[in-house]
Amino acid sequence: AQRVTQPEKLLSVFKGAPVELKCNYSYSGSPELFWYVQYSRQRLQLLLRHISRESIKGFTADLNKGETSFHLKKPFAQEEDSAMYYCALSGAGEYGNKLVFGAGTILRVKS
Amino acid sequence: NAGVTQTPKFRILKIGQSMTLQCTQDMNHNYMYWYRQDPGMGLKLIYYSVGAGITDKGEVPNGYNVSRSTTEDFPLRLELAAPSQTSVYFCASNRGQGYTEAFFGQGTRLTVV
Repeated sequence: AQRVTQPEKLLSVFKGAPVELKCNYSYSGSPELFWYVQYSRQRLQLLLRHISRESIKGFTADLNKGETSFHLKKPFAQEEDSAMYYCALSGAGEYGNKLVFGAGTILRVKS
Repeated sequence: NAGVTQTPKFRILKIGQSMTLQCTQDMNHNYMYWYRQDPGMGLKLIYYSVGAGITDKGEVPNGYNVSRSTTEDFPLRLELAAPSQTSVYFCASNRGQGYTEAFFGQGTRLTVV
């Protein structure tokens, strides 16, 4: 079964502080991992994915297959980073890949 | 550039009533998904479809039905609404395996009273 766990419902940090949003997954094959973000009053949108190995808005995430983790990190938080962040996994379903999400973490960046 | 469009945006249903949440996408995506978003629970997959005529259950399919007669449309049907179905519903689509960025609709806020 595919499962994504985000242990923190809320993460509150001060502007300029480092941020780490945790994500662990359970999947027997080779998954694709993603981070999606939902800003206030906006649609859910893709932030980054592990296969791209890119940095978006200063965020990075490294897939650690040994620890089955895909934590999202940013060295210096900005107020505009405040949003809901979802970790997601794409893995094989009966007919094709299905995309499952974790419970989400609210990030609040205080000034 | 419409993307994924959901209707209605808001709806209040009485217990036992039925309704269909509409979802359409104009990106010619093969895959479409329905999720519900409950506070503290994140996004739960209800049903998904990998192409016209093919649907499969997700994590929480009970109380819902779907159909996929065209590539563009993926309606979600609630037959006998229950208070437990009060939630925000999101439709999403992507091109399929290997193209897995999903695009989301704006959501439908449903209240069952």
